[in-house]
Amino acid sequence: IAGITQAPTSQILAAGRRMTLRCTQDMRHNAMYWYRQDLGLGLRLIHYSNTAGTTGKGEVPDGYSVSRANTDDFPLTLASAVPSQTSVYFCASGPGQGHGKLFFGSGTQLSVL
Amino acid sequence: GQQVMQIPQYQHVQEGEDFTTYCNSSTTLSNIQWYKQRPGGHPVFLIQLVKSGEVKKQKRLTFQFGEAKKNSSLHITATQTTDVGTYFCAGPKTSYDKVIFGPGTSLSVIP
Repeated sequence: IAGITQAPTSQILAAGRRMTLRCTQDMRHNAMYWYRQDLGLGLRLIHYSNTAGTTGKGEVPDGYSVSRANTDDFPLTLASAVPSQTSVYFCASGPGQGHGKLFFGSGTQLSVL
Repeated sequence: GQQVMQIPQYQHVQEGEDFTTYCNSSTTLSNIQWYKQRPGGHPVFLIQLVKSGEVKKQKRLTFQFGEAKKNSSLHITATQTTDVGTYFCAGPKTSYDKVIFGPGTSLSVIP
């Protein structure tokens, strides 16, 4: 079934630990995004990639890094997690840069203690 | 940087009443997209508007894109309990730019 897959579904992490959230899509979309969702703040863009091999910073990039080695995968890494990174993380992909519908994964609930 | 705002933040309506949420961007948008997120779910694409002044309808939902391409609205006629969720607008400054979301409007429908 075509779509976008995120892993893990949820995670509890000790502060200071390194964590990589995985995102894979099989729709051959060029653009991929990472958003975090916090109550009252909506969806805030962390990093994005318009095509394989390129990445860009979003609204709240500090403390996060991404890579886009190929079209399908777009992992998000927290090098040293802090409690303020407790959030729900959504990965999304779209056929074009800035236009066309975005498809979202089911999200990762991350708690940093 | 680009900012997208939405009002109201929350709306409680009686089933059958109408509902409207408004979206305003600090910059001109190439297009405006609307998404719906059910409680516990992920955002799902509803529609994209591209032209200045464009109006599109999906059954009981009416979407408008402002003449200046800086604001948009979503109107639901005769709400139903299935309309419950958070509605987000989103858009890029240019068609090759990142997509920024508004904070969303959370709709509750009282049966």
